[in-house]
Amino acid sequence: EAQVTQNPRYLITVTGKKLTVTCSQNMNHEYMSWYRQDPGLGLRQIYYSMNVEVTDKGDVPEGYKVSRKEKRNFPLILESPSPNQTSLYFCASSEMTGKETQYFGPGTRLLVL
Amino acid sequence: AQTVTQSQPEMSVQEAETVTLSCTYDTSESDYYLFWYKQPPSRQMILVIRQEAYKQQNATENRFSVNFQKAAKSFSLKISDSQLGDAAMYFCAYRTRQGGSEKLVFGKGTKLTVNP
Repeated sequence: EAQVTQNPRYLITVTGKKLTVTCSQNMNHEYMSWYRQDPGLGLRQIYYSMNVEVTDKGDVPEGYKVSRKEKRNFPLILESPSPNQTSLYFCASSEMTGKETQYFGPGTRLLVL
Repeated sequence: AQTVTQSQPEMSVQEAETVTLSCTYDTSESDYYLFWYKQPPSRQMILVIRQEAYKQQNATENRFSVNFQKAAKSFSLKISDSQLGDAAMYFCAYRTRQGGSEKLVFGKGTKLTVNP
């Protein structure tokens, strides 16, 4: 079954404690991306990757890091989380051509105290 | 920079009726892609329909259709014969086709309520 998986699905942490949200896809997609969703703001792109070792900033990259060492994985790293990073996070993947739909993971709800 | 605007934060419709959700966008590009995504209470993002800007024909998927007006930069979603399961947040999204940047820009969403 084609899917994008994220772990963990729910996470409560404290300010400053480094965390990683993993994302993995089994469709051999070149393109992967992270979004955050906040009430009234819709989804905003954090980072995206067009292939292994190729990453670029989206609209709200501050406070986040990513890496793409393998094609199937695209982890999101919060080196020093802050309360304003409390949000719902989605990972997505697609073929490189722009017309292709993005497949979304189930979301990770993060609360930073 | 591309922007996507959904001017209706909330909409409601009676079951079996038709509703139209509005979306406008701003871009200087001539070739791009537009999408409507549905997000039910489960929070899963589900593709409803997509439109390629170079195609003049409006996309249709069963009860869902779009009215794509390229010159006006408008991309509205029409839901016919609304069903209770259509209740969700709906997001309009824009994706550039040009290389170098593969951003997907979303609107802020429209919450659709379907009344029995």
